[in-house]
Amino acid sequence: SQQGEEDPQALSIQEGENATMNCSYKTSINNLQWYRQNSGRGLVHLILIRSNEREKHSGRLRVTLDTSKKSSSLLITASRAADTASYFCATDSGAGSYQLTFGKGTKLSVIP
Amino acid sequence: NAGVTQTPKFRVLKTGQSMTLLCAQDMNHEYMYWYRQDPGMGLRLIHYSVGEGTTAKGEVPDGYNVSRLKKQNFLLGLESAAPSQTSVYFCASRPLRDIPYNEQFFGPGTRLTVL
Repeated sequence: SQQGEEDPQALSIQEGENATMNCSYKTSINNLQWYRQNSGRGLVHLILIRSNEREKHSGRLRVTLDTSKKSSSLLITASRAADTASYFCATDSGAGSYQLTFGKGTKLSVIP
Repeated sequence: NAGVTQTPKFRVLKTGQSMTLLCAQDMNHEYMYWYRQDPGMGLRLIHYSVGEGTTAKGEVPDGYNVSRLKKQNFLLGLESAAPSQTSVYFCASRPLRDIPYNEQFFGPGTRLTVL
């Protein structure tokens, strides 16, 4: 079953605007990760936030985590056309096999 | 380093045929995973391996078998392909320890169509 559920399913913005994607999950986690997938390609890791962290930054990316609400958000600031991709959240429950459970993703289109 | 590679990139099968998908990684990673991705869906875990000679079932293992005879290779087999197995298959790997991020590294995918 899908652990993470992203919202919205699709998002279209103008270049330079900020993009916010949300992820909700169901069970307790060790960490939550965000991945990007360009069309027809594999997934690329973007950022990880641990369960005891509330906010993390990496370049133009900002991730927040609210474990009481079981939700996370990914903010991409000053978006570029090259940010056009699908974005997935994935949760790691902390089991020894480091399994990730992925959401269905948000498809982001950045219009030049 | 090539990272994670997958062969083949594309394949068309007829119902009932068998095939093996090969995943290879040159990063000396302990853990390897096979996922499938269907339209509008995230990735779902088929099988995984925590080390050479070990395999375990994921969320959707039915109709698939796997083997990890060598640390660098993880094979996914379809013994009797069905149209429901039409999908894009991704392999991923990760190291034993956090480095400091315990991210998974993904291959480019294999697009499989079963007619």
